Amino acid sequence: AQKVTQAQTEISVVEKEDVTLDCVYETRDTTYYLFWYKQPPSGELVFLIRRNSFDEQNEISGRYSWNFQKSTSSFNFTITASQVVDSAVYFCALSSDKLSFGAGTTVTVRA
Amino acid sequence: NAGVTQTPKFRILKIGQSMTLQCTQDMNHNYMYWYRQDPGMGLKLIYYSVGAGITDKGEVPNGYNVSRSTTEDFPLRLELAAPSQTSVYFCASSYRLYSGNTIYFGEGSWLTVV
Repeated sequence: AQKVTQAQTEISVVEKEDVTLDCVYETRDTTYYLFWYKQPPSGELVFLIRRNSFDEQNEISGRYSWNFQKSTSSFNFTITASQVVDSAVYFCALSSDKLSFGAGTTVTVRA
Repeated sequence: NAGVTQTPKFRILKIGQSMTLQCTQDMNHNYMYWYRQDPGMGLKLIYYSVGAGITDKGEVPNGYNVSRSTTEDFPLRLELAAPSQTSVYFCASSYRLYSGNTIYFGEGSWLTVV
């Protein structure tokens, strides 16, 4: 069985603050992939990043950064200097034999 | 670039009616999926297909049917619509089944059953 838990339901910040979204996963597989997707108010799902279970190198892409720690089964996502356009629901997902999504974290960035 | 296209975007159904959500992709992906997203929840897999002529159930298949006559198209059929099927439906496709390959999603179809 596999499971993805996003404990934070909603996060509200003021513009330019940093936001960290937590994701904890469970799987018995040794090979798997982790994803983050963004769902803006318009509703579409936007792919942000993919990580495989053998690659624990953290990554920074512009204002986004990801922290993958296999020892704690966590794949956290940080938005630095948040902007209003970052307001969205963010989903963490785990892929091995199927793709499982967390329940999502709603991020609201206020001007 | 069209990617994954699903129609309609919005639909209101009466209880007991039937309808088909259309999905087509132009990336020559073998794998296609239908998910539903309920308010405040993540996505649940309804059905998936690993190629033309092959379909399989996901986590929540009851009340739905699918077919895959071509690589491009993967329609989702709702028979005898029920209020519990009020949801947002996403069609998706990928080069391989899940592991590793990015899954491309359509823009979603908002379905309300009244």
